[in-house]
Amino acid sequence: EIVLTQSPDTLSLSPGERATLSCRASQSVRTKYLAWYQQKAGQAPRLLIYGTSNRASGIPDRFSGSGSATDFTLTISRLEPEDFAVYCCQQYDGSTPTFGQGTKVEI
Amino acid sequence: QVQLQESGPGLVKPSETLSLTCVVSDYSITIGYYWGWIRQPPGKGLEWLGMIWYSGGTNITPSLKSRVSMSIDKSKRQFSLKLSSVTAADTGVYYCARYNGDYTAFDFWGQGTLVTVSS
Repeated sequence: EIVLTQSPDTLSLSPGERATLSCRASQSVRTKYLAWYQQKAGQAPRLLIYGTSNRASGIPDRFSGSGSATDFTLTISRLEPEDFAVYCCQQYDGSTPTFGQGTKVEI
Repeated sequence: QVQLQESGPGLVKPSETLSLTCVVSDYSITIGYYWGWIRQPPGKGLEWLGMIWYSGGTNITPSLKSRVSMSIDKSKRQFSLKLSSVTAADTGVYYCARYNGDYTAFDFWGQGTLVTVSS
């Protein structure tokens, strides 16, 4: 099983600032197989990014993804009030999909 | 827009079987996608449980393979999860979701249903 470790656990920022979230895999993940989700309290996850860098339908361009092999990054260029949430990465390059533990972006 | 909705008991006794159903609206589940189950224990991260292909084939997480079964009813546009011999560790929010193979990601999710295992 591929283990995804996200850092930091919590990111304290202000609206308008840039957020950089990290997702590290225990073994190499092909870029096609890495996704990011946003989850707000009491809600289901929402797909943000698939294939490392492709925005899902309706996702603003302030969200971007990058990376390769074992190191992947989600960047939010300028935080809007609605962006304060938990973000998690997910891979399905191994035999089973796995998720990271999440990074909370808080004010 | 694909919509998914979970339903089932919110309280299950230890050692019994948890049964959930997910109804898919505004989309035919006979088209080739996997339909999956993911859970989230209180305050913790997401855990993938398994997926079922529209034709009935399944892929179940190895750690739960002996306890999980899945089925699909295309005529009713729904798929189901059964988890046997539950314990308190199985408490959490259970989500159904569509797995998009082109994206290799879950692109549509149900709102989730909280299942508590307690006597």
